[in-house]
This record gives sequence, C-alpha cells and structure tokens, in this order.
Amino acid sequence: GQNIDQPTEMTATEGAIVQINCTYQTSGFNGLFWYQQHAGEAPTFLSYNVLDGLEEKGRFSSFLSRSKGYSYLLLKELQMKDSASYLCAVNNDYKLSFGAGTTVTVRA
Amino acid sequence: IAGITQAPTSQILAAGRRMTLRCTQDMRHNAMYWYRQDLGLGLRLIHYSNTAGTTGKGEVPDGYSVSRANTDDFPLTLASAVPSQTSVYFCASSPIGEFVNEQFFGPGTRLTVL
Repeated sequence: GQNIDQPTEMTATEGAIVQINCTYQTSGFNGLFWYQQHAGEAPTFLSYNVLDGLEEKGRFSSFLSRSKGYSYLLLKELQMKDSASYLCAVNNDYKLSFGAGTTVTVRA
Repeated sequence: IAGITQAPTSQILAAGRRMTLRCTQDMRHNAMYWYRQDLGLGLRLIHYSNTAGTTGKGEVPDGYSVSRANTDDFPLTLASAVPSQTSVYFCASSPIGEFVNEQFFGPGTRLTVL
C-alpha cells in the first residue's frame, strides 16, 4: 500500500519562508514530485527528486531523504500568488501516488 | 491543440446514465493517466496506459473503463454513473523514458451525478 502524509494547512506572511513536509511509506520508489495547484486549476510541476539532497529552483527548493522516507518543499520570499495547494507525489513504476495536499495561505 | 485537453469542462448527469470523458494530448507522450480528485483525499489514480494498445488499473478502477486506440486519445467511460462518482476528473500524460518523467495535467472535468 501507499501512505503519503503532509500537513493539511499552513499560513505564512508575504516575504517569509514556509517549509512543507512530506513523509511516505510506499511499496516502491522511483522519485518524488512536488506539484502546485491553484484553486479550480490543474496541478503544475514544481520539482523532482530522485537522489538524496537538495534541488534548488529559484524561490523553490525541494529536499529528499530516501532512508527516512522524507521530503520537504521550501518556499522562500513568499508572494501572494503562492497561495495554493502543494501536492507531494511518489513515483512508483511511472505511476504517481499523491498525498492529500497542503493548502498554503499567504497573508499580507 | 497545445498540450492536453479535456471535454466536457463540466457535466451534470443522472444516476444510471453512461458518460464518456474525453482526453487528447498532442505532445506524443506514450503514457496517459486518469485521476479523480476529492476534497481531503487528493488525487487518486483510476486507470493508466503506458503505451497505445495497453491499459492498467490504478487505485480506484471500479465503475470506470478506458481504451487507448492511439497515442493521442485516452477516453474514460462510466458505464452506469452513481452519485459517489461525483468528482473532478483530471487526465495527465507523461514521456516515459526521460529522466524527469513529469506528468502534465489537463484542465479537468467537473462531474456531478445526481
């Protein structure tokens, strides 16, 4: 079975940093994706980790520890447009298993 | 067409009726997927296809069927809709074989079964 956990909601102030944690227990692992989903829209790709360590992409960074079954997404210099749901997904044989998503609200 | 499209955008359907949700991509991706998204449960895989002519069952396949006659199209059929199939349905495609085989999502179909 697949078990992927992430917090339901987080709130932060514009300009701040927020870290969204994701823990997983899955039957297989070929990498971990983070997607962003604005309300009423489709998910869009943010980052991909297959090896341990940090991947940085502008204001967004993602970290993976395969031995701990743990990842986080770091959002820096938060902007109002970053208010969205962030989905953690584990890739197993080209099929994705998603967490329920973390809704991030950015306040002025 | 640019990317991946779905039709209809939304639909209200009487229970017991048959419904086909359409999905078309023009990126020549070999893999395609159907998900449903329900509040608090996240995206759950219904069916998938790794290449034209093949399909497989995902996490929640019951009550749904798919076909993959060609690379571009991947329709999802509800043979006899039930209220528990009320959901937002997303189609996705992916280039299996590339290092970052991210999935690209269509805009979604919002289905209500009464």
